[in-house]
Amino acid sequence: EAQVTQNPRYLITVTGKKLTVTCSQNMNHEYMSWYRQDPGLGLRQIYYSMNVEATDKGDVPEGYKVSRKEKRNFPLILESPSPNQTSLYFCASSLNRENTEAFFGQGTRLTVV
Amino acid sequence: AQSVTQLGSHVSVSEGALVLLRCNYSSSVPPYLFWYVQYPNQGLQLLLKYTTGATLVKGINGFEAEFKKSETSFHLTKPSAHMSDAAEYFCAVSEVGGGFKTIFGAGTRLFVKA
Repeated sequence: EAQVTQNPRYLITVTGKKLTVTCSQNMNHEYMSWYRQDPGLGLRQIYYSMNVEATDKGDVPEGYKVSRKEKRNFPLILESPSPNQTSLYFCASSLNRENTEAFFGQGTRLTVV
Repeated sequence: AQSVTQLGSHVSVSEGALVLLRCNYSSSVPPYLFWYVQYPNQGLQLLLKYTTGATLVKGINGFEAEFKKSETSFHLTKPSAHMSDAAEYFCAVSEVGGGFKTIFGAGTRLFVKA
């Protein structure tokens, strides 16, 4: 089954404790992206990747890191989480530049206390 | 720069009534336009998309949207609402062949009354 898989689905952590949210897609998509969803703000792009070893900042990259060492994986790293990073996070992938329809993971609800 | 505006953060309709969710966009290049739906505790899934060609686009679950370039709009409609349509709907825009960046609207939550 074609899908985008995020783990974990739920995470509660403390301020400053490094964490990684994993994202994997099995559709051989070139493009992957991370969004955060906050009430009233819709989805805001954190980082995106056009292909392996090609990443760029989205609209709200501060406090986040990403890497794309393999085409299928695009982990999101919070080196020192803070309470303002409490949010619902989505990973998405798209086939290529001409086919930008996004396929989304189920989401990761992160709480930083 | 691209942007998307969804008019109304909440829309309430009666079952069987017309659903109309409004979306206006701005883009300096021809856009790709999308509507996504999000059910509780789930990710977003594509309802329909406009890329090129026919401006009236039909999607899943009886929804359709019309691309009106002169009005920079891409409103979502469904003739008859069903209880199962209750969800949050997002309009999104990306640039035609110009990159991968997709901008999402703030979302409209649809309530359907029995």
